[in-house]
Amino acid sequence: DTAVSQTPKYLVTQMGNDKSIKCEQNLGHDTMYWYKQDSKKFLKIMFSYNNKELIINETVPNRFSPKSPDKAHLNLHINSLELGDSAVYFCASSQWNDNYGYTFGSGTRLTVV
Amino acid sequence: DQQVKQNSPSLSVQEGRISILNCDYTNSMFDYFLWYKKYPAEGPTFLISISSIKDKNEDGRFTVFLNKSAKHLSLHIVPSQPGDSAVYFCAASKAGTASKLTFGTGTRLQVTL
Repeated sequence: DTAVSQTPKYLVTQMGNDKSIKCEQNLGHDTMYWYKQDSKKFLKIMFSYNNKELIINETVPNRFSPKSPDKAHLNLHINSLELGDSAVYFCASSQWNDNYGYTFGSGTRLTVV
Repeated sequence: DQQVKQNSPSLSVQEGRISILNCDYTNSMFDYFLWYKKYPAEGPTFLISISSIKDKNEDGRFTVFLNKSAKHLSLHIVPSQPGDSAVYFCAASKAGTASKLTFGTGTRLQVTL
């Protein structure tokens, strides 16, 4: 029973398309995150939601829009995909300000062609 | 602006010997440090952490050392085992930043027989 699950695991799409990545956690955590790992292997936070409220919104193009319908879900929608969006996207969850409890999903490898 | 740096992209160690992974940070406001381990096609998993009020934390074969004056931490694995082969990420956070973790770029550890 996966704690943080992301779908799809792999996503190949053409430039200009719109795509979504879904994330669900069954740990009862109240905070969820999206991290991006680029080609240089740098893991960088994009968004954080606490109890469905946006808490962290790093400098991310507004083509990226997170949606949190409830505490257990945080989806990422990307409009007008560009080549530079190719990366691995990790969803994670934790309890508010609990650094021990950061649990990551297995990642979604997005390739834009 | 990379606030957490892991300057060694890779490290190879013989089984049974000590592995030492290093991490430097630039932000003196960081007060909590963590190490995550990542296998291919999986998300990072929490390994060990240390608060800035300590200079050492030990958990089995894993020990993290913190040198605040040098803004440097290291992870020691003794003895190293083949199953330790993975990418290790150093991460840091500061109080009041809503659980935001800043990651380094990772060090790939290869434990050879």
